[in-house]
Amino acid sequence: QVNLYQKGAGLLKPSETLSLTCIVYGGSFRSYHWSWIRQSPGKGLEWIGEVNYEGLTKYNPSLKSRVTISVDTPGTRFSLSVTSLTVADSAVYYCVRVVVAGTWWRPDLWGQGTPVTVTS
Amino acid sequence: DIQMTQSPSSLSASVGDRITITCQASQDIGNKLNWLQQQPGKAPKLLIYDESSLEPGVPSRFSAGRSGTDFTFTIDSLQPEDTATYYCQQHDTLPLTFGGGTRVEIQ
Repeated sequence: QVNLYQKGAGLLKPSETLSLTCIVYGGSFRSYHWSWIRQSPGKGLEWIGEVNYEGLTKYNPSLKSRVTISVDTPGTRFSLSVTSLTVADSAVYYCVRVVVAGTWWRPDLWGQGTPVTVTS
Repeated sequence: DIQMTQSPSSLSASVGDRITITCQASQDIGNKLNWLQQQPGKAPKLLIYDESSLEPGVPSRFSAGRSGTDFTFTIDSLQPEDTATYYCQQHDTLPLTFGGGTRVEIQ
């Protein structure tokens, strides 16, 4: 059974860096894209960015200057880093497996979510 | 960014009812629209991709369609487990964007 498990600290201070890791249990890492999506009461669901198994990335322009998404080698996990945190970055962060083929962008498997609170 | 406008923001209906949610894109996105369900306290779940294709394992009471840039999502014969917030999401143009959600409650 394929599963995504998220790890990382959820309580941070302004100006600090958020680091989250998503561990992929089972399935093929190479066959999918790997995305991060966050959800806050104020902004709803927000796509942060994604990476493929080769490390090629796409980012939301609104966050691009502060975000890095990367994959490990040999490819069983991927990570999110967000620098210069503010209160506005408080949200539940999800890692997501995405089927990308033809016209598809299918987010078919989600991690459990990590609540992140940025407070002084 | 492409704006996705959902309506209504919430609705209440009875078990067995048919409900419809609409989502309007601010520009043409073709058929590149997904519908997701988020039950209370859980992560979102993909129900429909590419405008009207049912994700494997999703009950057939869920359906969706399009007219121009207006998209519709329908639940036939509403069930208690359908209590959730439903979101549309476009994947035609980066950044990918979501609608604001429609909260569905059972009377």
